[in-house]
Amino acid sequence: NAGVTQTPKFQVLKTGQSMTLQCAQDMNHNSMYWYRQDPGMGLRLIYYSASEGTTDKGEVPNGYNVSRLNKREFSLRLESAAPSQTSVYFCASSGGNGYGYTFGSGTRLTVV
Amino acid sequence: KNQVEQSPQSLIILEGKNCTLQCNYTVSPFSNLRWYKQDTGRGPVSLTIMTFSENTKSNGRYTATLDADTKQSSLHITASQLSDSASYICVVSSVSGYSTLTFGKGTMLLVSP
Repeated sequence: NAGVTQTPKFQVLKTGQSMTLQCAQDMNHNSMYWYRQDPGMGLRLIYYSASEGTTDKGEVPNGYNVSRLNKREFSLRLESAAPSQTSVYFCASSGGNGYGYTFGSGTRLTVV
Repeated sequence: KNQVEQSPQSLIILEGKNCTLQCNYTVSPFSNLRWYKQDTGRGPVSLTIMTFSENTKSNGRYTATLDADTKQSSLHITASQLSDSASYICVVSSVSGYSTLTFGKGTMLLVSP
């Protein structure tokens, strides 16, 4: 089925550990995004990639890095996890002008 | 600062009843407004998207309205079903920058049997 696939679905990290969240889309979208969703807050943009080969910071980029590996894949890396990064992370992709915006099912990350 | 405010924060209704969710925004310049449904533990799924010139758009039992002059939108759910229990998120897109989306915090709807 077409869509956005995120892995893993759940992860528990210890403070200071690193990990990479993976995201892949099969809709031939140019743009991809990483968001975090915290209780009582709207989704906040961490990083985005307008097209293959480009990445830009969003609203809350500190503590994260991203890689647009190819048109399909966009990964999010936490180099040294902190409890403040406990959240649900969503990847999304879109076509031109932001239409066709599609979200993945999310990764629930807990940092202890 | 661009903002999207939704009300109510949460709502409980009986199965079969109708309800209306509200969204006010201060986003400039405006491109489009979207309503998403987010089931617990899932990603948001698009219900409707409206541009400046559209006043209303329907998707089955969901009808969204937009008043671009007052910067208000509503989502009306008709003949609610248990499966409508979810968070409903209003999202406004700005043409400034690259497809910048501003998300509301959502209205949590519980449909009770």
